[in-house]
Amino acid sequence: AQKITQTQPGMFVQEKEAVTLDCTYDTSDQSYGLFWYKQPSSGEMIFLIYQGSYDEQNATEGRYSLNFQKARKSANLVISASQLGDSAMYFCAMREGLPGNTGKLIFGQGTTLQVKP
Amino acid sequence: GAVVSQHPSWVICKSGTSVKIECRSLDFQATTMFWYRQFPKQSLMLMATSNEGSKATYEQGVEKDKFLINHASLTLSTLTVTSAHPEDSSFYICSARRDYLTYEQYFGPGTRLTVT
Repeated sequence: AQKITQTQPGMFVQEKEAVTLDCTYDTSDQSYGLFWYKQPSSGEMIFLIYQGSYDEQNATEGRYSLNFQKARKSANLVISASQLGDSAMYFCAMREGLPGNTGKLIFGQGTTLQVKP
Repeated sequence: GAVVSQHPSWVICKSGTSVKIECRSLDFQATTMFWYRQFPKQSLMLMATSNEGSKATYEQGVEKDKFLINHASLTLSTLTVTSAHPEDSSFYICSARRDYLTYEQYFGPGTRLTVT
């Protein structure tokens, strides 16, 4: 069965420094997608970045990059130059199979990131 | 574009009553909508997947008679919590997928339900 694991319940980072949030996954599918979402205290889910299993390049979106190591089944999120507004809960998620399938997402347990001034 | 709204944003109801939560895709037609439940400081748990005009597919352990999902149109899905109890108090989030080719789900802002 598919599974997403985030082993860091909470993380602290100094403002302007980089931080890595860990995510490992388990699936027997050859085709899958990996996502990172940010959830501030307001509760809304904000899409950050996506990596397809066949994408050879690591995904990047502004200050966010995804360190995709397929053999290790890891998809860590790197946030560069942390800002106070980055303080939130971060979820790693995996889409089962091809986009044409159900598109269900499985979420990890989440990591709470606090950025210190 | 790709905005999803939920109504209400928060609701308090008495134990034993039913409450309906609406999820609307405002600027696109959603082929599929998903309903999630989230307890404080926990992950999102998928409750069900709904496609327009067909019955929802519930995840294992989710009572379909208690959580009624109706996907009446390509822009509207509703979740009705029937005979609510305090343990149903939670944050309910919907998401919508634009079409079968894209991977992205667009999330609503969530509805906080408190059952007293």
